[in-house]
Amino acid sequence: LAKTTQPISMDSYEGQEVNITCSHNNIATNDYITWYQQFPSQGPRFIIQGYKTKVTNEVASLFIPADRKSSTLSLPRVSLSDTAVYYCLVDSNYQLIWGAGTKLIIKP
Amino acid sequence: DTGVSQDPRHKITKRGQNVTFRCDPISEHNRLYWYRQTLGQGPEFLTYFQNEAQLEKSRLLSDRFSAERPKGSFSTLEIQRTEQGDSAMYLCASSLGTSGPLYQETQYFGPGTRLLVL
Repeated sequence: LAKTTQPISMDSYEGQEVNITCSHNNIATNDYITWYQQFPSQGPRFIIQGYKTKVTNEVASLFIPADRKSSTLSLPRVSLSDTAVYYCLVDSNYQLIWGAGTKLIIKP
Repeated sequence: DTGVSQDPRHKITKRGQNVTFRCDPISEHNRLYWYRQTLGQGPEFLTYFQNEAQLEKSRLLSDRFSAERPKGSFSTLEIQRTEQGDSAMYLCASSLGTSGPLYQETQYFGPGTRLLVL
């Protein structure tokens, strides 16, 4: 089963760009990588999904190198409201495996 | 609001009691998932349905846990003879499955049911 590894926590400041990296060494050929955001006492919320190279939407970018053994979520110009836990998700054998998540704290 | 809803939001029970949680997915979504999340951890996959069929169950799901999705609409998760280790947030999510693996779909989560077993 694929496993993901992320930093436990990160700090940054308002207006900065934040990059969170996820390792998934055993990712399968057909697996996609998906990132979710979770605020306390709420369910996770989809942020972005990709397979390779770069994907960008209105809230984030996702960078995936050619070997696909890692991925980096990039949040441009963060604000205090981006303080949350961010999860990296890959599919493995139809049992969805979530990383432990990265607790991102944005400071004024 | 047409998002995923869960009921109740909070449940306190005594060890040994049975509890049942309900999830109402987004109406047109044919796939429904249950997860368990403990404090400081990511969600753990429990089971998922495509329409009314339960297609996958995690090894985490002991025989005290049972889930149903009659008529492919709402779903219930029942825990029998609750134990203190069952205390967790139980999350439900739904997605519109077309074809291909699960991960290609966006899962929409409900607010969760927080269970405390005393």
